[in-house]
Amino acid sequence: QSVLTQPPSVSAAPGQKVTISCSGISSNIGYNYVSWYQQLPGTAPKLLIYENNKRPSGIPDRFSGSKSGTSATLGITGLQTGDEADYYCGTWDSSLNGGQGVFGGGTKLTVL
Amino acid sequence: VQLLQSRVEVKEPGESLKISCEAFGYKFSDYWIGWVRQMPGKGLEWMGIIYPGDSDTRYSPSFQGRVTISADRSINTAFLVWGSVEASDSAIYYCARQPTGATVGAPFDYWGRGTLLTVSS
Repeated sequence: QSVLTQPPSVSAAPGQKVTISCSGISSNIGYNYVSWYQQLPGTAPKLLIYENNKRPSGIPDRFSGSKSGTSATLGITGLQTGDEADYYCGTWDSSLNGGQGVFGGGTKLTVL
Repeated sequence: VQLLQSRVEVKEPGESLKISCEAFGYKFSDYWIGWVRQMPGKGLEWMGIIYPGDSDTRYSPSFQGRVTISADRSINTAFLVWGSVEASDSAIYYCARQPTGATVGAPFDYWGRGTLLTVSS
């Protein structure tokens, strides 16, 4: 059972938009920055979004992030077949044993 | 920036193991290094982080006592160490760099390609 809650799967057609939610509590998402990672099949995770809504260099603006209260959302517009991957949210949780990093359980994106 | 990990390790239950993560292209002592486990077909699990600058180390309770995280600044390398591996440790282990601000949610901005550990008799 992951500390952060994500839907197991989402799907949408090419060209459409999809959102992936990440739900937590005050000690994690509520007080700390959220990051999002993309893991293509057979590869290491890759940073997509940091500090809730910032994109690293090279990440297209089709990817966006937001945070409100104890929830965060990843948005992907103009879906492409190459976006099929697992997506994870992550943050710090200040309440667990002096603090630790936490991830969501991951969401599998299918582009139909 | 690159994090270089050995690709595969095969061990028998009860053996000790030390896997490494060698850092290139940045000042090793100025960034945290974290370890993340991914069991077959499962999600990412945060194991712990170390700040090579002062060896400050944090562990997930799930891994505390099972593994040791260390770093050697002289060779820009972080380590994940088991005293005795078990079959349930079979997984991919990623190292990843984290800027200062780890405890407010700084991201893992660069990742190694992962070490696949298989523990079997």
